Amino acid sequence: KQEVTQIPAALSVPEGENLVLNCSFTDSAIYNLQWFRQDPGKGLTSLLLIQSSQREQTSGRLNASLDKSSGRSTLYIAASQPGDSATYLCAVRFRGGSARQLTFGSGTQLTVLP
Amino acid sequence: NAGVMQNPRHLVRRRGQEARLRCSPMKGHSHVYWYRQLPEEGLKFMVYLQKENIIDESGMPKERFSAEFPKEGPSILRIQQVVRGDSAAYFCASSPVGAGGYTFGSGTRLTVV
Repeated sequence: KQEVTQIPAALSVPEGENLVLNCSFTDSAIYNLQWFRQDPGKGLTSLLLIQSSQREQTSGRLNASLDKSSGRSTLYIAASQPGDSATYLCAVRFRGGSARQLTFGSGTQLTVLP
Repeated sequence: NAGVMQNPRHLVRRRGQEARLRCSPMKGHSHVYWYRQLPEEGLKFMVYLQKENIIDESGMPKERFSAEFPKEGPSILRIQQVVRGDSAAYFCASSPVGAGGYTFGSGTRLTVV
């Protein structure tokens, strides 16, 4: 079964810290992996998209890595700010099946304390 | 580019009524997806559509739920005879042809009273 797991479920850090969010997936046959941010009661904002042929993507203070062979991705947030507080979702587009749907992890709820 | 547009943002229905949720994909995107997020749960795939075709409805409940993406106009997710358990946030996403990423709408929050 193709599954996506995110740990930890919740994380609280003081402002300014660098932090890492983890995502693991059960099948290395993927098209891509996408990190999203969801604020309470809001929609999903795409942060980074990593294609299966790529190892990492960067946008501002965010860096996402992908290791297909081990079924892992990490989202690194540098110099965290209170405005980074949100739920971060990892989603994988697996090969096979309809090959178009995304499979989501349950998310990591991040709180950055001022 | 207005992104993925969903309406209404909030919808309240009494048990037994019908709910219609609308989604206009991002300009240039030909693939539309519907996902449901139940309270305190993750997002679950429901259905994948292209214009006038349902490609994958493996995540749709077998009864009361239907989806369409007509040649003209938005995609519609229709829930007949709503029950309290249908209360959730329903998100629409679209993607381009190929291996591009998804863009999500802001969602419709359905409350069944």
